[in-house]
Amino acid sequence: AQSVTQPDIHITVSEGASLELRCNYSYGATPYLFWYVQSPGQGLQLLLKYFSGDTLVQGIKGFEAEFKRSQSSFNLRKPSVHWSDAAEYFCAVGVSGGSYIPTFGRGTSLIVHP
Amino acid sequence: KAGVTQTPRYLIKTRGQQVTLSCSPISGHRSVSWYQQTPGQGLQFLFEYFSETQRNKGNFPGRFSGRQFSNSRSEMNVSTLELGDSALYLCASSSTGNSYEQYFGPGTRLTVT
Repeated sequence: AQSVTQPDIHITVSEGASLELRCNYSYGATPYLFWYVQSPGQGLQLLLKYFSGDTLVQGIKGFEAEFKRSQSSFNLRKPSVHWSDAAEYFCAVGVSGGSYIPTFGRGTSLIVHP
Repeated sequence: KAGVTQTPRYLIKTRGQQVTLSCSPISGHRSVSWYQQTPGQGLQFLFEYFSETQRNKGNFPGRFSGRQFSNSRSEMNVSTLELGDSALYLCASSSTGNSYEQYFGPGTRLTVT
């Protein structure tokens, strides 16, 4: 079965600094990959998705992610973090021909210092 | 289009009671999934309904059940509530039966005392 690992439980950055959140998956086939963000007390909002094609995908709120097949990774990046980016971030993966229920990572909590 | 809506947003129940949560998917979406989110266990999949049929089921006891109506609205029911059922229950909808792309509602915060 596929699995998703987000190695960092918490990440703290200063406002204006760059950000990279890590996501690794384990599955042989090309996966469908997603990043979601969850603000406190809210549901999950889709930031971006990768199905195929260009391995660098752009999302909302200035986020981007890069699919690296050789590293089984799909890391989320943002060049300059804003205080409003403080939230929980979830990576999710699905596989072609599967159940169409994505597997979610445990999440990374982003703390932004002023 | 309106997003996924969930009612109620907050609930307080007593152990042993039962509860019903409601979810209205995005118009035109036929798949509805339910998740339980807790600080200790993270996001756990409960079940998924597609065209009024339960298509996928997670590893939860039979106290957790659900259904979907012909208009794609879904309800989940938890009977004989336990303290450990306190959680944020999230509903997500998907447009077709073969897409991983899910859109989430704001959730229902259930507190069991």
